[in-house]
Amino acid sequence: AQSVTQLGSHVSVSEGALVLLRCNYSSSVPPYLFWYVQYPNQGLQLLLKYTTGATLVKGINGFEAEFKKSETSFHLTKPSAHMSDAAEYFCAVLKGLRGAQKLVFGQGTRLTINP
Amino acid sequence: DVKVTQSSRYLVKRTGEKVFLECVQDMDHENMFWYRQDPGLGLRLIYFSYDVKMKEKGDIPEGYSVSREKKERFSLILESASTNQTSMYLCASSFLDRDNSPLHFGNGTRLTVT
Repeated sequence: AQSVTQLGSHVSVSEGALVLLRCNYSSSVPPYLFWYVQYPNQGLQLLLKYTTGATLVKGINGFEAEFKKSETSFHLTKPSAHMSDAAEYFCAVLKGLRGAQKLVFGQGTRLTINP
Repeated sequence: DVKVTQSSRYLVKRTGEKVFLECVQDMDHENMFWYRQDPGLGLRLIYFSYDVKMKEKGDIPEGYSVSREKKERFSLILESASTNQTSMYLCASSFLDRDNSPLHFGNGTRLTVT
């Protein structure tokens, strides 16, 4: 069964510092992986996704993630944090057969940016 | 731009009441989903639907039901609300026949059951 674990429910970095949010997955088949972001009082929006092909995926707002099969990881990074990056981030894996697919989410990581 | 609209932003209901949460999408998506979001638990899938009048149980369907009479509308029903159903409820939609079609989310309904 596919599942997702996010390491660290809270991450705090200084403005301008590297952002690293960790996600590990378990999947019996090649996974389709996603990162979503939730700003305060809003729904989730897609940051980036990995399906097939290039293992380094670039998303919106300067974020990127690298799919590492050997480590079963899909960590999210951004070279230089901005105050506007403060939000909750969710890693997710696609589960199920075509036609009845659903996303299974991790527990979320709240990112705080210190001035 | 895809729009997923949840009818209420905040809702306060009493224990035992029947509660309806409504969701409408305007992109002709086949798939629609209801998740609940709780601190430390992330998003958990309650029910989803991939066609009109079709429904599938998610991971935590107990105490909930759903209705999909029209393609654009997906309703979540709490037959008899309980305090442990106090939560943020998020509706989402996506295409059926496009691999890895991303979910588009509404802004959520924060339900408090007293």
